[in-house]
Amino acid sequence: NAGVTQTPKFRVLKTGQSMTLLCAQDMNHEYMYWYRQDPGMGLRLIHYSVGEGTTAKGEVPDGYNVSRLKKQNFLLGLESAAPSQTSVYFCASSSRPLGGTFTNTGELFFGEGSRLTVL
Amino acid sequence: RKEVEQDPGPFNVPEGATVAFNCTYSNSASQSFFWYRQDCRKEPKLLMSVYSSGNEDGRFTAQLNRASQYISLLIRDSKLSDSATYLCVVNPTGGYQKVTFGIGTKLQVIP
Repeated sequence: NAGVTQTPKFRVLKTGQSMTLLCAQDMNHEYMYWYRQDPGMGLRLIHYSVGEGTTAKGEVPDGYNVSRLKKQNFLLGLESAAPSQTSVYFCASSSRPLGGTFTNTGELFFGEGSRLTVL
Repeated sequence: RKEVEQDPGPFNVPEGATVAFNCTYSNSASQSFFWYRQDCRKEPKLLMSVYSSGNEDGRFTAQLNRASQYISLLIRDSKLSDSATYLCVVNPTGGYQKVTFGIGTKLQVIP
């Protein structure tokens, strides 16, 4: 009954270090998303994928890269971490695309979140 | 004006009370609307969709007012377990993949 799993759950980095967040889903969903959540702001979309081998930029993509080599996995990379990237990162998946009308929009299933602190 | 605006609260209400939250959106072309619930330090989870005709799920009622561009969530007979942050989610353009989240309204139900 795993759903969406994120690793690691917590990480502290120094400015300039790199790291990768892994998201794995076992629901066979086509669509996967990375969001960040900061105090006083709604969740913001970083990157998303509409299927294996595809990625696209979201609202705040700068400083991040992603890959979707396997349908069940969506990786978020920080090449050179900055204090502004201190945040809680959520991965999500959906069986259908978001948006459109009520009858065809997807539901987001989120992972438990990864808390990243950049010093 | 922000695409989606919510009063962050907190709303402190006694058990058994009825409480309502509103969420305003700026784009009149918005097509779909949702309420997600997020417990403290947990992930968001879908609570309910908001249909044009309104919808009800037990103690929860969601309404859409297109003329005034807001959605609402009404919780009747509040339980301690309802304490959480309620996120308003809007698809602002009718397009795909990019929905907008509000900052959330925090509800604290007090014994």
